Amino acid sequence: AQSVSQHNHHVILSEAASLELGCNYSYGGTVNLFWYVQYPGQHLQLLLKYFSGDPLVKGIKGFEAVFIKSKFSFNLRKPSVQWSDTAEYFCAVNIPSGNTPLVFGKGTRLSVIA
Amino acid sequence: GAGVSQSPSNKVTEKGKDVELRCDPISGHTALYWYRQSLGQGLEFLIYFQGNSAPDKSGLPSDRFSAERTGGSVSTLTIQRTQQEDSAVYLCASSLGDRTGHEQFFGPGTRLTVL
Repeated sequence: AQSVSQHNHHVILSEAASLELGCNYSYGGTVNLFWYVQYPGQHLQLLLKYFSGDPLVKGIKGFEAVFIKSKFSFNLRKPSVQWSDTAEYFCAVNIPSGNTPLVFGKGTRLSVIA
Repeated sequence: GAGVSQSPSNKVTEKGKDVELRCDPISGHTALYWYRQSLGQGLEFLIYFQGNSAPDKSGLPSDRFSAERTGGSVSTLTIQRTQQEDSAVYLCASSLGDRTGHEQFFGPGTRLTVL
């Protein structure tokens, strides 16, 4: 079975600081990888996804993630955060075989202060 | 177009009562998923539907939990004899379901509180 670890429970950054949120998964085979975001009071929405190809994935709102297969990692990055990026971020994986459910990490809460 | 909708948005019930949670997926989405989001546990998978059948029920935590989907559209999640540990936000997601890796679109969730 797959599992996902997100190393940081709560991250506090000042505006314009750079962001990197860690995500590691455990599964020996091919996986699809996702980052979802949940803004306060809103539902989960997709930031970006990786299925295959270029390991650097660009998402919405200036976010990107890099897949390092040898490290089983899919870290989320943003060069300069804004106050509006305050949210909870979830890394998720599923197996690309049929419509398998997502396995989520426990989430990282990001607080951006002015 | 309309997204995934869920009702009720909030449900408070007494321990031992049954509850029904409803999910309306995006029109045309054949795959439907139920997840549970609780403090300290993150998001846990409960059950998945492809059309009206449920190929994967592995996440249902006990036999008090059941779900059905009719007409390839609306799904209901039923929790019988609710317990306090059932308190959580229940999320529904849907996807096109016609090939692997399709994005899952999430609804706003139903917040269940069992007193």
